[in-house]
Amino acid sequence: GEDVEQSLFLSVREGDSSVINCTYTDSSSTYLYWYKQEPGAGLQLLTYIFSNMDMKQDQRLTVLLNKKDKHLSLRIADTQTGDSAIYFCAERLGGGNKLTFGTGTQLKVEL
Amino acid sequence: GAVVSQHPSWVICKSGTSVKIECRSLDFQATTMFWYRQFPKQSLMLMATSNEGSKATYEQGVEKDKFLINHASLTLSTLTVTSAHPEDSSFYICSASTGVTEAFFGQGTRLTVV
Repeated sequence: GEDVEQSLFLSVREGDSSVINCTYTDSSSTYLYWYKQEPGAGLQLLTYIFSNMDMKQDQRLTVLLNKKDKHLSLRIADTQTGDSAIYFCAERLGGGNKLTFGTGTQLKVEL
Repeated sequence: GAVVSQHPSWVICKSGTSVKIECRSLDFQATTMFWYRQFPKQSLMLMATSNEGSKATYEQGVEKDKFLINHASLTLSTLTVTSAHPEDSSFYICSASTGVTEAFFGQGTRLTVV
């Protein structure tokens, strides 16, 4: 079945690194995504990783995928106040283009 | 990245009336569009998937006669909430996909039914 879980809330200080975690249950995921949602807005695609990769880096963002443990993480280096938002992981299952979203993690960046 | 425009961004309507929300892909052709509903502080719940020129596929528990979806062209899908009631108040978000890797989201529509 499809079940994607995230921690609800994370607070970090400006300049520190943030790590947002995501666990999923369906091993047939082909792509895994990270989206950012600011208040009252839609979702912004941050990055994605193909399921046969274990790491992807894109500027301040690093995605780690442990397929054996079905664990995905997003690391944001040098976190800024503008990074405060809700972050959703999502998985795309093989053969389809439907996304299943995680529960969302609210990131709060404090000065 | 590709741009998806959703309109209106906010609508207040009276109970019993219908509301139409538009989702347009501005610079690409979307073979598939998705409609989601999001309650406060919750994740996105997929309502339906629509492919251009064919009937939408609704998720379990979503009333197709209540949430009418039309995907008449490769750049436009509409969601009509018919006979809206206060419990239909929510944040509705569309996304558009070319069917390859990425799905791009509209900015969302906040519907309030009074």
